[in-house]
Amino acid sequence: EDQVTQSPEALRLQEGESSSLNCSYTVSGLRGLFWYRQDPGKGPEFLFTLYSAGEEKEKERLKATLTKKESFLHITAPKPEDSATYLCAVTGASGTYKYIFGTGTRLKVLA
Amino acid sequence: DAGITQSPRYKITETGRQVTLMCHQTWSHSYMFWYRQDLGHGLRLIYYSAAADITDKGEVPDGYVVSRSKTENFPLTLESATRSQTSVYFCASRGDSRGETQYFGPGTRLLVL
Repeated sequence: EDQVTQSPEALRLQEGESSSLNCSYTVSGLRGLFWYRQDPGKGPEFLFTLYSAGEEKEKERLKATLTKKESFLHITAPKPEDSATYLCAVTGASGTYKYIFGTGTRLKVLA
Repeated sequence: DAGITQSPRYKITETGRQVTLMCHQTWSHSYMFWYRQDLGHGLRLIYYSAAADITDKGEVPDGYVVSRSKTENFPLTLESATRSQTSVYFCASRGDSRGETQYFGPGTRLLVL
């Protein structure tokens, strides 16, 4: 069964304290792994798409990496405005419409 | 503005009433999706559409109806609202290729009393 597990559920960091969020997945024939940021009361905002193991993408203080079993979202020197829930999703060979979402990691960055 | 919009943003209704949530996208994306987001469950797919006049059920379709007469619009109707349908509803769209990124609307918060 296709599955996505995100850890930790919640994370508190001091401003400037780098860390990583984990997304472990099980999917047949990975077609894409997606990271989103979601602020309270808003829709998920697209961050990155990764397609194959070894791929990496960066945007400002965020860097996403992918292996055959998991993805990491590395946050370098975070700022309070990075506080949000980060969602991971995968889509595989089982259906063109099927995207499996994790329940997210709630990140709080303290000034 | 380009993108994906939803209306209304907030809705309060009563049990048994019919409610329609609207979704509009300007990218001419073929695929459109409706999700609900509840604490502890993450995003769950209600219905999706691969093109105008082509729709199919997702994970939690019971109590919902969709239509897609135009590519850009994908309304979701709750025919007889129940308290268990209190949730935040998100519409999303993507292009034709497998593995393409989905883009989400701002959401509709629905409260059923």
